[in-house]
Amino acid sequence: GAGVSQSPRYKVAKRGQDVALRCDPISGHVSLFWYQQALGQGPEFLTYFQNEAQLDKSGLPSDRFFAERPEGSVSTLKIQRTQQEDSAVYLCASSSRGGYSNQPQHFGDGTRLSIL
Amino acid sequence: DAKTTQPPSMDCAEGRAANLPCNHSTISGNEYVYWYRQIHSQGPQYIIHGLKNNETNEMASLIITEDRKSSTLILPHATLRDTAVYYCIVSHNTNAGKSTFGDGTTLTVKP
Repeated sequence: GAGVSQSPRYKVAKRGQDVALRCDPISGHVSLFWYQQALGQGPEFLTYFQNEAQLDKSGLPSDRFFAERPEGSVSTLKIQRTQQEDSAVYLCASSSRGGYSNQPQHFGDGTRLSIL
Repeated sequence: DAKTTQPPSMDCAEGRAANLPCNHSTISGNEYVYWYRQIHSQGPQYIIHGLKNNETNEMASLIITEDRKSSTLILPHATLRDTAVYYCIVSHNTNAGKSTFGDGTTLTVKP
């Protein structure tokens, strides 16, 4: 079956531009997560949705980062006024049940964002 | 979540078993141990998880010590395609599944 799909695969933007990254989770998955992964490091949690509700956004590094999942399926991570330190791979993951479970997460291959 | 400690790198000969250790000495009673791996330019891939009993699936085995303070992921017959970064994560099942990955172990399988 189809896995988690992220687009675009690569994104290059100039400093100060706004970008939008898309995540299509596995159909029917309740939970959706965004992570940021810097080069040579492990993924770091950004935010979590259960259906359309954003239950945890404690990992978002600044108010320039905004995520939404309006219909409880597709999610978009938006970064406003991008800065060079935003350059990273942005990973999306989904899991089949709500947050309070031990279900594993299924990851997409990420969007590699480069800010010039 | 409890913190995990993994060696930064390991080598393994092709066809031999790869044993990847993880220390999680501050794990609490209702925290699970998860293992993921990440091959270059791909997203992390779930391998296995467990609470207190040893677990086995088609990919690997997970051995958790009786005191649950450490665990070992075993790839029984490593192949070149198993070269990847392996992450051991301890996750509380009431934290919405938020996972703290750390830097993992880079496993290199050599011919």
